[in-house]
Amino acid sequence: NAGVMQNPRHLVRRRGQEARLRCSPMKGHSHVYWYRQLPEEGLKFMVYLQKENIIDESGMPKERFSAEFPKEGPSILRIQQVVRGDSAAYFCASSFGSGNTIYFGEGSWLTVV
Amino acid sequence: GENVEQHPSTLSVQEGDSAVIKCTYSDSASNYFPWYKQELGKGPQLIIDIRSNVGEKKDQRIAVTLNKTAKHFSLHITETQPEDSAVYFCAASIVQGAQKLVFGQGTRLTINP
Repeated sequence: NAGVMQNPRHLVRRRGQEARLRCSPMKGHSHVYWYRQLPEEGLKFMVYLQKENIIDESGMPKERFSAEFPKEGPSILRIQQVVRGDSAAYFCASSFGSGNTIYFGEGSWLTVV
Repeated sequence: GENVEQHPSTLSVQEGDSAVIKCTYSDSASNYFPWYKQELGKGPQLIIDIRSNVGEKKDQRIAVTLNKTAKHFSLHITETQPEDSAVYFCAASIVQGAQKLVFGQGTRLTINP
């Protein structure tokens, strides 16, 4: 009965490189959310996806960031040309459907050097 | 949009005493209020949630109260134990549609033995 699985747990990238964060939702869940947490701050909503569809990306920066949740495989959060300000913990969450309880993964900690 | 304020930012209590954390929200349309516990280096763990059709919910040592008129809700932990030490986040959302959780800033709770 695995929960929300994220990998990698820790990722170090140099400025200008690309970061790819993966998320497998809980079994049976078809709704995925990505949140970002800066040090000593709360979580901020980035994007909400269902299979093959982006439902709401109002919290995601317009440039360099993209997300997908393909028909097969995990959800991917992609950050191109990373900058130091992208250093944060990125949390994926999933739910059975809209209106159901949201469960979080253990996070992916991105450090940009 | 929704804004959630959480107080206090830090809280220290003696083991066995009670702890109370309070949150206020701005959007009267919000109808779902979860509380998450986050330990160092880990993801947020749902500990209790409440929907706007009830005023109070209890689960063993944890309880949440909701005042829709005043737009505030509170977490109560009784008989605190050292393992309750963590950062606690409140959140608010509208259940229908894109269920975006808006988080408070967090409360660092320390239980002193």
